[in-house]
Amino acid sequence: EVQLVESGGGLVKPGGSLRLSCAVSGFTFSDAWMTWVRQAPGKGLEWLGRVKSKSDGGAIDYAAPVKGRFTISRDDSKNTLFLQMNSLKIEDTAIYYCTTVTGSTIQWGQGTLVTVSS
Amino acid sequence: DIVMTQSPDSLAVSLGERATINCKSSQSILYSSKNTNYLAWYQQKPGQPPKLLIYWASSRESGVPDRFSGSGSGTDFTLTITSLQAEDVAVYYCQQYYDTLWTFGQGTKVEIK
Repeated sequence: EVQLVESGGGLVKPGGSLRLSCAVSGFTFSDAWMTWVRQAPGKGLEWLGRVKSKSDGGAIDYAAPVKGRFTISRDDSKNTLFLQMNSLKIEDTAIYYCTTVTGSTIQWGQGTLVTVSS
Repeated sequence: DIVMTQSPDSLAVSLGERATINCKSSQSILYSSKNTNYLAWYQQKPGQPPKLLIYWASSRESGVPDRFSGSGSGTDFTLTITSLQAEDVAVYYCQQYYDTLWTFGQGTKVEIK
């Protein structure tokens, strides 16, 4: 069974940092292109960025609102995806999901809530 | 970026009746060499993550009731719920994954009339 489990969310002050993790199982993580998506309270879904597998070059792309502040990385030995978030703003408050396309389907985690507030 | 536009923003349908949601992309999301549209539909209930209903525009995810169906190609797509049930009350999103930068429709809220 495929599982994606996010963790690391919480309350942080504006300007602060947080590191999210996404632990995966049930598929070959090292072959997967992994994506972060977020959803602000009462709002729609927003793509944040994606990391390719190392065998496909490992390129990372970011959405404009987070480029330069957020960093995506992966540890294939631990089947874990990361999202390092720096210089957090109030508008970064959201549920953060990791996702991936496995074969034909798209898998999502349950999400982790990040609240940026003073 | 590919812009995804859903219509309507909300709709109220009687139990057992048909609900139809449209999604239009600003450019084609048909991968011609594979004859595949990279379009997904999700259902989201309060406090839950999005649940995949349809992928490749018309393929139903395992376990999804057959009252849910997707159609369309190129830039115009439709999600149909043939006989609305109470448990179908939710927000529905379309998503393109043709481009590196995935984009989503704004969502359509489905309620019972």
